[in-house]
Amino acid sequence: DTGVSQDPRHKITKRGQNVTFRCDPISEHNRLYWYRQTLGQGPEFLTYFQNEAQLEKSRLLSDRFSAERPKGSFSTLEIQRTEQGDSAMYLCASSHPPPTGRHYGYTFGSGTRLTVV
Amino acid sequence: KNEVEQSPQNLTAQEGEFITINCSYSVGISALHWLQQHPGGGIVSLFMLSSGKKKHGRLIATINIQEKHSSLHITASHPRDSAVYICAVGGNYGGSQGNLIFGKGTKLSVKP
Repeated sequence: DTGVSQDPRHKITKRGQNVTFRCDPISEHNRLYWYRQTLGQGPEFLTYFQNEAQLEKSRLLSDRFSAERPKGSFSTLEIQRTEQGDSAMYLCASSHPPPTGRHYGYTFGSGTRLTVV
Repeated sequence: KNEVEQSPQNLTAQEGEFITINCSYSVGISALHWLQQHPGGGIVSLFMLSSGKKKHGRLIATINIQEKHSSLHITASHPRDSAVYICAVGGNYGGSQGNLIFGKGTKLSVKP
């Protein structure tokens, strides 16, 4: 297992186009997270899955954003009708689900840098 | 006010210097993470801790749960340590059990 993989690494798109990113987590990890990071800021939570179930979505995830994890393995994040404000690094991470009172470590992917022109 | 505050925002050091980066948080947590991010964007997890102190090579991380404060120390700093160091907290807060809250990061530049 080579860790968390994200594809593509870079994406330049015209405003109004749709884009889709993929994340392949560590195979044993049940949880998969999507974060967005803009320049000079820390990552912000978008959504996470446990297996195929999407358990939480941030209010940052507008109706133009949709995420899926159909078989509980890889996940896709789609942005429809992209806007210049969507330009950011989109990070994926995976982890084991923690038992109550504990917290397991995360493994991050290298991210997909989106530029909307 | 951000739930996770880091200081300083930017730090320039000479090779060999001892470096300290601080993190304060305002929410209840079950774990605090120190992460390293290089210009290419990928994030590497350095430490996850919920109490006390951890050491890995030249890196030391400490946490004081009562004071809601953590520090990351780098001994004998080297130019290859130049990166953004991010503090993030995780746990059961506000009903959310699934994600981390991140600080804005500290950009470290170590000059030869």
